[in-house]
Amino acid sequence: GAGVSQSPSNKVTEKGKDVELRCDPISGHTALYWYRQSLGQGLEFLIYFQGNSAPDKSGLPSDRFSAERTGGSVSTLTIQRTQQEDSAVYLCASSPMGGRGDYGYTFGSGTRLTVV
Amino acid sequence: DQQVKQNSPSLSVQEGRISILNCDYTNSMFDYFLWYKKYPAEGPTFLISISSIKDKNEDGRFTVFLNKSAKHLSLHIVPSQPGDSAVYFCAAINFYNQGGKLIFGQGTELSVKP
Repeated sequence: GAGVSQSPSNKVTEKGKDVELRCDPISGHTALYWYRQSLGQGLEFLIYFQGNSAPDKSGLPSDRFSAERTGGSVSTLTIQRTQQEDSAVYLCASSPMGGRGDYGYTFGSGTRLTVV
Repeated sequence: DQQVKQNSPSLSVQEGRISILNCDYTNSMFDYFLWYKKYPAEGPTFLISISSIKDKNEDGRFTVFLNKSAKHLSLHIVPSQPGDSAVYFCAAINFYNQGGKLIFGQGTELSVKP
């Protein structure tokens, strides 16, 4: 597609439920990233996929969070047993070949997750 | 450990004047520094970047300055326009050691008043 697509755009869930957030990167982009922005906070790195390499999971805040990327394209971020502190905007981004420092990467519009 | 810091959460500037957004970092291994602009309900969009081997990069109304000895960079917008009102994020990347992972600051909300 023309840009990075994320779905759903908004998600309200009850505490304790599992949620799945989807990201469709730009076609041909080999690198995919997940970030989140909590209220009043900056962008927090979660996980990074680069081609067939093992993902960099160093930003995942707990073992309730996981992500996969199927076929080197679409990615799903799963949060199990959601907690209120998981409420945030979850942003996905993609770039060609792991990104280049001079232009960074392209973000989607995000999924706003609210845990009630 | 906050490797990239934007200590001013907000900035208000009159239209036509200069906006200066500041950013400090702690990791001397960063290769590139980038600025992103974010409107509400949208993802951040890339604005301008600078390599760690340079001290200035200019693109139209936007100029980024890097002071490596002080581990400080700034974004200058001249002249400021109301459409520049947004949240600006500073980011840094240590590409050769950490791949494409960007480390972001907390953001500065710029308001340009007519």
